[in-house]
Amino acid sequence: GEDVEQSLFLSVREGDSSVINCTYTDSSSTYLYWYKQEPGAGLQLLTYIFSNMDMKQDQRLTVLLNKKDKHLSLRIADTQTGDSAIYFCAERSGLTGGGNKLTFGTGTQLKVEL
Amino acid sequence: NAGVTQTPKFRVLKTGQSMTLLCAQDMNHEYMYWYRQDPGMGLRLIHYSVGEGTTAKGEVPDGYNVSRLKKQNFLLGLESAAPSQTSVYFCASTGTGQLGSNQPQHFGDGTRLSIL
Repeated sequence: GEDVEQSLFLSVREGDSSVINCTYTDSSSTYLYWYKQEPGAGLQLLTYIFSNMDMKQDQRLTVLLNKKDKHLSLRIADTQTGDSAIYFCAERSGLTGGGNKLTFGTGTQLKVEL
Repeated sequence: NAGVTQTPKFRVLKTGQSMTLLCAQDMNHEYMYWYRQDPGMGLRLIHYSVGEGTTAKGEVPDGYNVSRLKKQNFLLGLESAAPSQTSVYFCASTGTGQLGSNQPQHFGDGTRLSIL
């Protein structure tokens, strides 16, 4: 079955780059996602990458995908205090009867210090 | 646009009580999902629906029932609440799109449920 793993915590200084890592098991995943969750809020889609891509850049965000090792990372450049949140990695897989489901990692708590 | 709306936002129940959580989406999405979020465990799929009138079990369906009588609404029911069901519940929806296209899930803000 699908399994997604992330480290639980990451602390960085404001202005530095943050790198959040994720490993997944389902080699048939077509899309991989990064979601951000701020305290008391729902999940906000940050970015995604299609499985035939190695890298995707979107402003301060860079996603790297190593399909051979089933490793995904999210780099946030010039990290700000507003980036403090929990970041979830998720892989997409098919459901019986149609549709897709997401399997989430446990989330990485990013703390940005002044 | 409202997107995905969940009601209520907070609720405290006693063991054995029943309640229904409502999820409404205004994006004409076919697929809807209910997840629960527990500390250190990410989000786990409870039930899902691939269209009006259809529902199916996810990873952790025991103790819950769902209904999708209208395309825009997906209801999650707890018939006899247990303390193990204390959690944050999230609803999500997604469209179909072309085969293989990216259709990210859109999430509501969650319902925080405590069972005493």
